[in-house]
Amino acid sequence: EAGVVQSPRYKIIEKKQPVAFWCNPISGHNTLYWYLQNLGQGPELLIRYENEEAVDDSQLPKDRFSAERLKGVDSTLKIQPAELGDSAVYLCASSLQRRGVNTGELFFGEGSRLTVL
Amino acid sequence: RKEVEQDPGPFNVPEGATVAFNCTYSNSASQSFFWYRQDCRKEPKLLMSVYSSGNEDGRFTAQLNRASQYISLLIRDSKLSDSATYLCVVNGAGGFKTIFGAGTRLFVKA
Repeated sequence: EAGVVQSPRYKIIEKKQPVAFWCNPISGHNTLYWYLQNLGQGPELLIRYENEEAVDDSQLPKDRFSAERLKGVDSTLKIQPAELGDSAVYLCASSLQRRGVNTGELFFGEGSRLTVL
Repeated sequence: RKEVEQDPGPFNVPEGATVAFNCTYSNSASQSFFWYRQDCRKEPKLLMSVYSSGNEDGRFTAQLNRASQYISLLIRDSKLSDSATYLCVVNGAGGFKTIFGAGTRLFVKA
């Protein structure tokens, strides 16, 4: 079974440029997460989707970050314009919700490593 | 105060040693707990869930102390391959608010 797929794996851009990341979750997983991870830190939630609905985007910097999950499957995360401080690894994860309860295990993609110059 | 706190380490131990990590959480309503492992430049992966009664998986033992709001991970007979960052994870009600600790770095040396 395929895992969570993310692209691109690496991206180097200049500040003020836009960037987009794509995620394809595990088939059948209705919950999708975007996390940001800085060096030496744990993943920090940016946004969580249940199907196509963003149910927790409280930590998403909405002035420059946007996300969508059309049709409740694939998702994209966009940053426009990027700033130097956005350099980090952007992790996508998915999980399965059963009877209104999250099973707890998150399956992560390999991440997209962003460098902003 | 952070919602989930871990000693960042690093813990440097010889092969065969026993090592223990603790993690404290601030929200007494937290409902489920996990340890994830993250290798260098890789994604986090579930190591084990932490149950109220404690649980063991081979050389790994996880314990939960709700009264003191901490969880622990014990690794016995450390192997070189255990070298990684161990992330403490706490879920809120329904498992939807998933908080990661900053991780504890472990180096196992020959």
